[in-house]
Amino acid sequence: EVQLVQSGAEVKKPGESLKISCKASGYSFTYYWIAWVRQMPGKGLEWMGIIWPGDSETRYSPSFQGQVTISADKSIGTAYLQWSSLKASDTAMYYCARHTFGGAVTSLGYWGQGTLVTVSS
Amino acid sequence: EIVLTQSPGTLSLSPGERATLSCRASQSVSNNYLAWYQQKPGQAPRLLIYGVSSRATGIPDRFIGSGSGTDFTLTISRLEPEDFAGYYCQQYGNSPYTFGQGTKLEIK
Repeated sequence: EVQLVQSGAEVKKPGESLKISCKASGYSFTYYWIAWVRQMPGKGLEWMGIIWPGDSETRYSPSFQGQVTISADKSIGTAYLQWSSLKASDTAMYYCARHTFGGAVTSLGYWGQGTLVTVSS
Repeated sequence: EIVLTQSPGTLSLSPGERATLSCRASQSVSNNYLAWYQQKPGQAPRLLIYGVSSRATGIPDRFIGSGSGTDFTLTISRLEPEDFAGYYCQQYGNSPYTFGQGTKLEIK
């Protein structure tokens, strides 16, 4: 069974750094793209970027390029999303999602449960 | 960047009725790489449709995707109580793989 288990909720102050995780299981981690999706409170879904865990190739939305870093550790089947300096506007739910089919960019067929990040002074 | 515009923003219908949700792209979606997702409050999104019209595993056949080029539609043929939720389209033909802003389907 494919599972994506995300790390727990975080409460941070502006300017702090943060790295959240997405632990994958039940499939070959290096053969499927993984995406990160933001959902701000009461708002819609925003595509942030994707990573190919096999060689850590990444693609970012221009809206998020330079603002976050997506990475993966294939030895432990985990993808990450990190910030070096959080802002209040980063407050949101963050989802990781696995592409439906292997080897190509496709729809998002499997989703993590989400990680709520709250940034407040 | 391809902009997806969903309409209406909110759709008020009753169980048993037919729902028609629209997703219009600012330019043609490559290879018809268009998906639909359902999201209920407090839950992660769930894939309904990929490749314009293919249902994901376990999705009932009352969910029907159609369209091509720049105009796409999700039809729910006969609404069940559990169908009242948020719906998002996404194109994955050209990076960035953008989402529409969503349609909220509410009970009338």
